[in-house]
Amino acid sequence: EVQLVESGGGLVQPGGSLRLSCAASGFTFSSYAMNWVRQTPGKGLEFVSTISDNGGNTYYADSVKGRFTISRDNSRSTVYLQMGSLRPEDMGVYYCARAAGYDYWLLQYWGQGALVTVSS
Amino acid sequence: DIQMTQSPSTLSASVGDRVTITCRASQSISSWLAWYQQKPGKAPKLLIYKASSLDTGVPSRFSGSGSGTEFTLTISSLQPDDFATYYCQQYNSYLYTFGQGTKLEMK
Repeated sequence: EVQLVESGGGLVQPGGSLRLSCAASGFTFSSYAMNWVRQTPGKGLEFVSTISDNGGNTYYADSVKGRFTISRDNSRSTVYLQMGSLRPEDMGVYYCARAAGYDYWLLQYWGQGALVTVSS
Repeated sequence: DIQMTQSPSTLSASVGDRVTITCRASQSISSWLAWYQQKPGKAPKLLIYKASSLDTGVPSRFSGSGSGTEFTLTISSLQPDDFATYYCQQYNSYLYTFGQGTKLEMK
């Protein structure tokens, strides 16, 4: 059974940093691209970032480019999202999602989400 | 960015009803369209991909159609478990985008 478990969410002040982790199990992690998607009250579901199966290619939404970094450790079956210069509009639930095979951006399995609150 | 517009925003229906949700793209996305179901406090769940293909385990009462800029999700006979919010997603490129959602509620 595919499982994705996010951790690392919490309360952070504007301008602060946070690192989300997503531990995967139940599939060959190194064979799939991984995504981070967020759900915010203001914009609903929103693409954040994608990383290819070997980590060689990364993609970012314009709204987070230069502030967020996606990475992965295939030996630990874990994908990360390092978030910096956080803004109130970054607040929401962050989901990691596994791509469906060669369709990097088709989100076949999702984690339960990690809540990020940006407030002073 | 490609904008995705769903209608209606809210749909009231009863068990056994046939319901249809529409999703329009601001430009052609061929058939790169997915539908997800989300229940309160839970992650979205993939139902349909490539406009009309059912994901594994999805009941056959769900169906999708369309191409280009106009797409529909149909539930042929609503079941109690189907009351949820439904989202379309275009995945034509890495700048994938979602519709604003359609909340399917009990009449």
